[in-house]
Amino acid sequence: DVKVTQSSRYLVKRTGEKVFLECVQDMDHENMFWYRQDPGLGLRLIYFSYDVKMKEKGDIPEGYSVSREKKERFSLILESASTNQTSMYLCASSFPGQGGTEAFFGQGTRLTVV
Amino acid sequence: SQKIEQNSEALNIQEGKTATLTCNYTNYSPAYLQWYRQDPGRGPVFLLLIRENEKEKRKERLKVTFDTTLKQSLFHITASQPADSATYLCALEEGGSQGNLIFGKGTKLSVKP
Repeated sequence: DVKVTQSSRYLVKRTGEKVFLECVQDMDHENMFWYRQDPGLGLRLIYFSYDVKMKEKGDIPEGYSVSREKKERFSLILESASTNQTSMYLCASSFPGQGGTEAFFGQGTRLTVV
Repeated sequence: SQKIEQNSEALNIQEGKTATLTCNYTNYSPAYLQWYRQDPGRGPVFLLLIRENEKEKRKERLKVTFDTTLKQSLFHITASQPADSATYLCALEEGGSQGNLIFGKGTKLSVKP
């Protein structure tokens, strides 16, 4: 059974803290993605990665960075957490095949910045 | 500007009826269109994928249509059940995008017994 695992379901952090969100997939997928989801705004892409050590900015990268040192792991870093980064964070992975690419999502991390 | 719109934020229907959800897009050229289901507090789960050269795809009680002229996809759930209540998301994938999906905001479906 394919699996994308996010390190925490719920997280509460203080303003200004450096926050690490971890995501691990066991499907040997090349592609990995970080989204945030907010009411009324839907899923918005923060960063994605097509391969180890490669990263591309999505639609809303400001205030975030990522790290992909191993194929199975994609980390999202909030350099200095702010209250407007309170959100549901979703990690996904996919295999870039020829016939469209189904994305597999983790269970999500609900981050609250106080 | 580029847009992907799911016409209803919420849809309420009676058990046993067919639910029809709409996804429209502007200024995209998707090679594939996907539908996902998301339950509260969970990540989306893939349901169906349809290619630009396909008109219709079925899976059990689910049916998806894709009209590239109208720039629209319709998602149908026949004989709906209360367990079908969830938020449904459509997602576009443009050719050559290496799997980068663009999501609509979703439609929350409620099926009443």
